[in-house]
Amino acid sequence: QKEVEQDPGPLSVPEGAIVSLNCTYSNSAFQYFMWYRQYSRKGPELLMYTYSSGNKEDGRFTAQVDKSSKYISLFIRDSQPSDSATYLCATTGGGTSYGKLTFGQGTILTVHP
Amino acid sequence: KAGVTQTPRYLIKTRGQQVTLSCSPISGHRSVSWYQQTPGQGLQFLFEYFSETQRNKGNFPGRFSGRQFSNSRSEMNVSTLELGDSALYLCASSLVTGATGELFFGEGSRLTVL
Repeated sequence: QKEVEQDPGPLSVPEGAIVSLNCTYSNSAFQYFMWYRQYSRKGPELLMYTYSSGNKEDGRFTAQVDKSSKYISLFIRDSQPSDSATYLCATTGGGTSYGKLTFGQGTILTVHP
Repeated sequence: KAGVTQTPRYLIKTRGQQVTLSCSPISGHRSVSWYQQTPGQGLQFLFEYFSETQRNKGNFPGRFSGRQFSNSRSEMNVSTLELGDSALYLCASSLVTGATGELFFGEGSRLTVL
């Protein structure tokens, strides 16, 4: 079993929809949580970054972490065709885990006009 | 501010050859990490360097190696290439010296092994 599980989709939604992307993880030591967006043939782009449990909002994007249930979520409001990409959740435990992120498999999202 | 720069962007090699990939981090970033991305395994951590020292290493065979120079630029080398080494190799840099995970990725070097 992978340490971070993510539904690969694909997920297709109409423009303007609210998108919910989710991951679960198994390692209680994880305490830093990230969402990356990766467009085709590009590198991952850091979208959201949170430490421990709680919510973080940035424009149309909201990241939620629930450490008690080991659940990570990303919500996209008023989705746009430009949001079409692969979304990757990632996490690390800090300490001596220098540079090492554990990624989910990524969810392919398509927002159609 | 320039992002992480990786060269070459695309390359084709044959089995048994070796390859060297280069990465220039964001100015001021001293931590450089390398990842392999494949459709089957996703993103997997190779190693991390800080101040020319390898601080962390993933579960890859010894054919995969890296180094970092005094200007924080980094290279990774893969020797005796195998078909399964075909992948997108991503470099990421971080301003933070601790292991908090704020990594900024380059666009990658896409390696095809024939």
